Amino acid sequence: DGGITQSPKYLFRKEGQNVTLSCEQNLNHDAMYWYRQDPGQGLRLIYYSHIVNDFQKGDIAEGYSVSREKKESFPLTVTSAQKNPTAFYLCASSKGANQETQYFGPGTRLLVL
Amino acid sequence: AQSVTQPDIHITVSEGASLELRCNYSYGATPYLFWYVQSPGQGLQLLLKYFSGDTLVQGIKGFEAEFKRSQSSFNLRKPSVHWSDAAEYFCAVDTSGGSNYKLTFGKGTLLTVNP
Repeated sequence: DGGITQSPKYLFRKEGQNVTLSCEQNLNHDAMYWYRQDPGQGLRLIYYSHIVNDFQKGDIAEGYSVSREKKESFPLTVTSAQKNPTAFYLCASSKGANQETQYFGPGTRLLVL
Repeated sequence: AQSVTQPDIHITVSEGASLELRCNYSYGATPYLFWYVQSPGQGLQLLLKYFSGDTLVQGIKGFEAEFKRSQSSFNLRKPSVHWSDAAEYFCAVDTSGGSNYKLTFGKGTLLTVNP
């Protein structure tokens, strides 16, 4: 089955620790996105990538980093600089960047110990 | 700045009743419009989208939405709600001129369905 997988489902971070959230897609999509969701809020864009080896900051990129070395993978690192990392993180992908629907993974919930 | 407003944070309906979820946007041009649904602890699933053409759009699970330019609205409707429709619904707007990297989401409407 084609789709987007995110792992782990739950992730715990200690003070001062960097953690990496995985996002993999086998849809052969060119574009991938990371969103943060907080209770009672909508989704806010962290980073996006339209092509391998290229990515752009979204609205709330501070304290996060990404890489796009492979078409199917777009990992997100939550660094120690992100002071309020507790949230639900959603990865999405689209076939291209123009008028294409974004498809979402199941999400990773990050909790701070 | 572009924005999306979903005026209703929480709506409760009885099973079999009709449903309308409201969405208003603020954007100078005609945006691309989406409705997504999210079950608890899950990702988002696309219900329907509007890019151009017929302003009444049909989606999955019996949902439809109507784009009204004069009211800057894109309300979601369903004639008869099922218990499985209980979820959170998000309206989203692409204000990037079709480049689709800039989806702005509303804060969501939580739907509760009473038996």
